[in-house]
Amino acid sequence: DAGITQSPRHKVTETGTPVTLRCHQTENHRYMYWYRQDPGHGLRLIHYSYGVKDTDKGEVSDGYSVSRSKTEDFLLTLESATSSQTSVYFCAISEAAGNTIYFGEGSWLTVV
Amino acid sequence: GQQVMQIPQYQHVQEGEDFTTYCNSSTTLSNIQWYKQRPGGHPVFLIQLVKSGEVKKQKRLTFQFGEAKKNSSLHITATQTTDVGTYFCAASFGNEKLTFGTGTRLTIIP
Repeated sequence: DAGITQSPRHKVTETGTPVTLRCHQTENHRYMYWYRQDPGHGLRLIHYSYGVKDTDKGEVSDGYSVSRSKTEDFLLTLESATSSQTSVYFCAISEAAGNTIYFGEGSWLTVV
Repeated sequence: GQQVMQIPQYQHVQEGEDFTTYCNSSTTLSNIQWYKQRPGGHPVFLIQLVKSGEVKKQKRLTFQFGEAKKNSSLHITATQTTDVGTYFCAASFGNEKLTFGTGTRLTIIP
């Protein structure tokens, strides 16, 4: 498996609280991604990064922000969590756009 | 943005039966990749197809890329309980990030 670490792996939080998910890679890949996975929707891209401080929105970016201050770290922040953001979040990396994507093990987030 | 349609969404088969999932695009693809996600796990890369009409095999799995590079299929012969999971295609439309299909969830009846 690729060197990708997500934290926390499981979290329960209350509606309206901020939440930050962390992704750390040891592969020095340029691209990093955050996906969410929900039943019936497959993998949906939230945000991605193509370099330090270079980020762009995916198809479901509303309510989320990201930051990448170092090549190896990509943070996903929910500024004010809502129940609709209950999901499994996967961090992923790739060397270039369109290349093979390697996924982290996922972070299970429950917003109550 | 570009989309890729994957069917069926679910497939239940008896152990030993064959299974096929299909991905279709209205636009020519640069390449297509296939991933497998075991229950409770994360997606894992299986294979990449690049050439028109390409066929690749991995043991009981056969992957095909259409002649027009707009569709692809994954066929599993004689399914086993270890094949359980969700299979995703992921399409590349040039120098852009991959677009994932919605996945086909395979369950096996022993």
